[in-house]
Amino acid sequence: EVQLLESGGNLVQPGGSLRLSCTASGFTFSTYGMTWVRQAPGKGLEWVSAIAGSGDSTYYADSVKGRFTISRDNSKNTLYLQMNSLRAEDTAIYYCATLGDPAFDFWGQGTMVTVSS
Amino acid sequence: DIVMTQTPLSSPVTLGQPASISCRSSQSLVHSDGNTYLSWLQQRPGQPPRLLIYKISKRFSGVPDRFSGSGAGTDFTLKINRVEPEDVGLYYCMQATQFPWTFGQGTKVEIK
Repeated sequence: EVQLLESGGNLVQPGGSLRLSCTASGFTFSTYGMTWVRQAPGKGLEWVSAIAGSGDSTYYADSVKGRFTISRDNSKNTLYLQMNSLRAEDTAIYYCATLGDPAFDFWGQGTMVTVSS
Repeated sequence: DIVMTQTPLSSPVTLGQPASISCRSSQSLVHSDGNTYLSWLQQRPGQPPRLLIYKISKRFSGVPDRFSGSGAGTDFTLKINRVEPEDVGLYYCMQATQFPWTFGQGTKVEIK
């Protein structure tokens, strides 16, 4: 059974940093691309970033480019999202999801990030 | 960026009756590999999203056959054949043809 468990969400001040983790199990992690999607309170879904299974290709939404970094450690079956220079508009639930065939086939429960002073 | 526009944004439906959601993209979603990466996701209250339909019309594993997808190019539709209580929630179309991947605004399906 595929399981994705996000962690690392917290309350952080504007301009601060946070690293989210997504620990995967139930599938061969290194063979799957992975992605982060966020959802601001009461709002819709916004794609944030994606990474290939090998980690050698990464993609970002313009809203986070230059501030967020996606990475993975295939030896630990873990996906990361390093978030720097956080803004109030980054406040959201952050979900990780697998990019199998088809993409977005499995989702975690999400972790909440609140950016506020 | 490709803009995804859903209509309606709210759909009150009688149990057992059909429901339909439209999604229009600002440009063609046909990828250079010939596939159209248009998906539909369901988000029940308090839950993460769940994949329902991919590549326009393919039902994901475990999805009831009362859900169906259709369309081509820039116009797509999700149909629920007979709405059941567990179908209440938000429905999103999304495209993964071109970066940045984008979602529609979401359509709320509720029971009348």
